[in-house]
Amino acid sequence: SQELEQSPQSLIVQEGKNLTINCTSSKTLYGLYWYKQKYGEGLIFLMMLQKGGEEKSHEKITAKLDEKKQQSSLHITASQPSHAGIYLCGAVNQAGTALIFGKGTTLSVSS
Amino acid sequence: DTAVSQTPKYLVTQMGNDKSIKCEQNLGHDTMYWYKQDSKKFLKIMFSYNNKELIINETVPNRFSPKSPDKAHLNLHINSLELGDSAVYFCASSPGTGTNTGELFFGEGSRLTVL
Repeated sequence: SQELEQSPQSLIVQEGKNLTINCTSSKTLYGLYWYKQKYGEGLIFLMMLQKGGEEKSHEKITAKLDEKKQQSSLHITASQPSHAGIYLCGAVNQAGTALIFGKGTTLSVSS
Repeated sequence: DTAVSQTPKYLVTQMGNDKSIKCEQNLGHDTMYWYKQDSKKFLKIMFSYNNKELIINETVPNRFSPKSPDKAHLNLHINSLELGDSAVYFCASSPGTGTNTGELFFGEGSRLTVL
């Protein structure tokens, strides 16, 4: 079955610093989704990437899809405390029936 | 109005009891899901329904039974609760399915604690 590996598992950065989170799939990707979860809340959709080389940005968060490497990266520029939370990457499973998720990256931003 | 709403938000119960979690979406989506998030925050798909029909049923004990009375509702009933069932259960919906799943909209989660 397909698996999504995220790295790092957790990250502590100082406010204002840049950071990158990676997501690697064990099988071919048919679209990659990034979500954010704040403690005690549901998941909030950030962005979806569907084509190799595609890059999307939302405020200070940029995500890119490298289809050949079966990998996506999420980059945050000038991190702020509001960026803290758990970031999860998701992909449609091989059967095409649901999204499966990586184990998440917990981000803490110290001020 | 909340797009995907789950009730209850918190549930504390004894081992062996039976409990239900309800989910409703007002987005007009065709597909609904139940996910389980364990203590390590790993989010795992349990069930998927498309227009009231069961699409996916992952390796989940028979004690878990989803019911979809209409495409806006997907409830989860759990029989004979065990300690290992303690988790946060998330309901979600999406406009499509398969590679056209699109964005998933999640509820706020229902935290189940089994004592």
